[in-house]
Amino acid sequence: AQSVTQLGSHVSVSEGALVLLRCNYSSSVPPYLFWYVQYPNQGLQLLLKYTSAATLVKGINGFEAEFKKSETSFHLTKPSAHMSDAAEYFCAVTSPSNAGKSTFGDGTTLTVKP
Amino acid sequence: NAGVTQTPKFQVLKTGQSMTLQCAQDMNHNSMYWYRQDPGMGLRLIYYSASEGTTDKGEVPNGYNVSRLNKREFSLRLESAAPSQTSVYFCASSGPTAPNEKLFFGSGTQLSVL
Repeated sequence: AQSVTQLGSHVSVSEGALVLLRCNYSSSVPPYLFWYVQYPNQGLQLLLKYTSAATLVKGINGFEAEFKKSETSFHLTKPSAHMSDAAEYFCAVTSPSNAGKSTFGDGTTLTVKP
Repeated sequence: NAGVTQTPKFQVLKTGQSMTLQCAQDMNHNSMYWYRQDPGMGLRLIYYSASEGTTDKGEVPNGYNVSRLNKREFSLRLESAAPSQTSVYFCASSGPTAPNEKLFFGSGTQLSVL
């Protein structure tokens, strides 16, 4: 079985501040982990993914995430928030044993204040 | 460069009516998926197709049927719509090395059942 918990359904930061969105996962086998972003009235787009290579993964738009097996976490960070980062962010987990069917977290809405 | 195309974008149904949501991808992907998105609940998998001619239930399959018509097309049918099926529906596909491949999403279908 696999699951994802995103801590905090809403996160608000000031422009230029650090962005930290939290994701913890549960998986009985080594997982593949993804962060997706959804802008209003659009489908989801991939930000970055972890597939057992480097534990620090860099994605698009200056985002990165670190896989920590001991903490079962895959938190998303960005050093300096931009107004255009305002969106909903989803963490997802999948694994070979689950036929590639992704399980998504409930999402975190990021608000960026000027 | 269409990617994943869903139709229609919006639909209003009365309870008991039927309809089919269409999805097509032009990336030669084997795997296709239907998800529903409800506020505060992330995305939940309805049905999944690993290849042409195969389908598998996801987390919330009740009240839905699917057809993998060919490699490109994967349709979702509501035989007798219920208000609980009011949601935003997303079709997605993934490439040849799923499950570690990212999902490509369509732009969604907003369905209201009255």
